[in-house]
This record gives sequence, C-alpha cells and structure tokens, in this order.
Amino acid sequence: GQNIDQPTEMTATEGAIVQINCTYQTSGFNGLFWYQQHAGEAPTFLSYNVLDGLEEKGRFSSFLSRSKGYSYLLLKELQMKDSASYLCAVRDGDYKLSFGAGTTVTVRA
Amino acid sequence: IAGITQAPTSQILAAGRRMTLRCTQDMRHNAMYWYRQDLGLGLRLIHYSNTAGTTGKGEVPDGYSVSRANTDDFPLTLSSAVPSQTSVYFCASSDGTSGSEQYFGPGTRLTVT
Repeated sequence: GQNIDQPTEMTATEGAIVQINCTYQTSGFNGLFWYQQHAGEAPTFLSYNVLDGLEEKGRFSSFLSRSKGYSYLLLKELQMKDSASYLCAVRDGDYKLSFGAGTTVTVRA
Repeated sequence: IAGITQAPTSQILAAGRRMTLRCTQDMRHNAMYWYRQDLGLGLRLIHYSNTAGTTGKGEVPDGYSVSRANTDDFPLTLSSAVPSQTSVYFCASSDGTSGSEQYFGPGTRLTVT
C-alpha cells in the first residue's frame, strides 16, 4: 500500500512563493503526480515526475527524490486564483493512483 | 468537447435503496477509475478498469460494484446504500500509458439519509 503525507493547510501572500511538501512510503513506485482542485470542482493535472529532479512549468515546479520518498510543488508569483487544494498522488506499478489528503493553500492580498 | 461526463450531478438517496452513478468518456481511454472524496481523507479508489471487459478492486470496494461493457462507459452501483456512503464521487480516465495523467469528471455529490 501507499502512505502519503502532506500538510493540511498553508497560507501565503499574493506575489510570494509557497512550497508544498509531500512524503511517501510505497510498495511500488511508477511516478508522482500533483493535481490542483478548486473548491467544488474536479482535480486537474499539474505535473508529473518519474525521475529525480526538478520539472518546471511556468509558475509551477515540481521536484522528486525517489531515494528519500519526497516531492515538493513550488508555486511562484502567487495569484489569488491559486487558492485551492493541491493533491500529491503516487502511482503504483498497476497505474493506480494513491492520493494524499491534500494541502489547502489560501492566498491573501 | 472531449471529456468525461457524470450523472447525476447530485442525489439524495434513502438508505437501503439501489443507485447507479453513470460515467461516460469520449477520449477512447483504456483505463477508468472511480474515487470517493471525503473531507480530510482525500481521494480513495473504489474500483478501476484497465480495459473494457476487466475490472479490479481499489482501496474501498465494499458496498460498490462496477462493470465495463465497452470503452466509453463505467457505471458504479451501490446495491443497498448506507449513510457512510455519503460522499462526492469522481470518475476518471487515462490512456493507461506511462506518464499519462488521469482526467476527472465533474463529480456526483451523493447524500444517503
């Protein structure tokens, strides 16, 4: 099975940077995903890491260390619309995803 | 517009009743999934299907059944609803290849009274 931990809540100021950490313990690993979910909506895909290192996509970056069972999602130049829950998910060898409980990010003006 | 649709959007159901949540995708994805999302617990996998004609159990399958008669449809049935099945249900699909993300439907909010 999978055990995935991420902080419950984070608050940051508009224009700032926030880093959301995710640690995992898995019986199999085939990639790590980050999803964004606005209140009352479906999750949407943000990033995918399968090799160690940093993946950058505009204002969002995601990092993976497989040996440490650790990932983070970095949100730069925060905007009010970034207020949402961010879900860390680990995929096993059967392509099934296990999700963390999510981190609610609140961006304040 | 390609994507995943779910029906109904929301439903209030009496305990003991049978209910089928519908999910249809038009992306010709091989794999489909059903999750429930509860406050503080995140998304939990109920059942999945890697290809038409096959299904598998996820983390919380008890009280639910699925079928996958064709590529596009993946209905989820609650045979005899109980209040603990009150949740938001999301259907998702992916093409099943390495690196492919899952696309989620808009969700069904189910309340069992």
